[in-house]
Amino acid sequence: SQTIHQWPATLVQPVGSPLSLECTVEGTSNPNLYWYRQAAGRGLQLLFYSVGIGQISSEVPQNLSASRPQDRQFILSSKKLLLSDSGFYLCAWRGGLNTEAFFGQGTRLTVV
Amino acid sequence: KQEVTQIPAALSVPEGENLVLNCSFTDSAIYNLQWFRQDPGKGLTSLLLIQSSQREQTSGRLNASLDKSSGRSTLYIAASQPGDSATYLCAVGKGGSTLGRLYFGRGTQLTVWP
Repeated sequence: SQTIHQWPATLVQPVGSPLSLECTVEGTSNPNLYWYRQAAGRGLQLLFYSVGIGQISSEVPQNLSASRPQDRQFILSSKKLLLSDSGFYLCAWRGGLNTEAFFGQGTRLTVV
Repeated sequence: KQEVTQIPAALSVPEGENLVLNCSFTDSAIYNLQWFRQDPGKGLTSLLLIQSSQREQTSGRLNASLDKSSGRSTLYIAASQPGDSATYLCAVGKGGSTLGRLYFGRGTQLTVWP
């Protein structure tokens, strides 16, 4: 069966520090991968999606970047964190347009 | 742009009640609609997926319906239990240039009290 792993679960980082969040999927190949952010009192915002290795699309201009170095690995990064980057970050995958989406357990990022 | 709205934003009911959560979307050109559950501080758990060609899907005490032409979906929860307390999110899936992204509502926060 397929599983999705996301780590770390929580992270407290100072303003200006770098960020690296990792997401891996097991039990499937060539998944569509997504990074969402959920801010307090707001809905889920799509940040990045990827349909293959090295193929990244960004939904909104921001301080973050994403990479997909391997088929089932999706990384969210920042060179210098801002206070506004605080939030709950969720990784998701799906096999195709008509298939079910599955989410990881999320990373709670607090920038101080 | 696809807008997804969920009503009510919050709902508090006694155990045993049957209840309906509503989801509406502005663009009927969708591939599917998915209902999720989110417990506090946790990720999203998929409950039901309805394809655009389907009218409803059932899983245990949950039944989700889809009326694509009117841009509406409902999630029916039968005989609610305290363990059903969570935030319920609906998400609409679109393809084309958006490559399968999901558009989310803000959720309905459900509290079921004993």
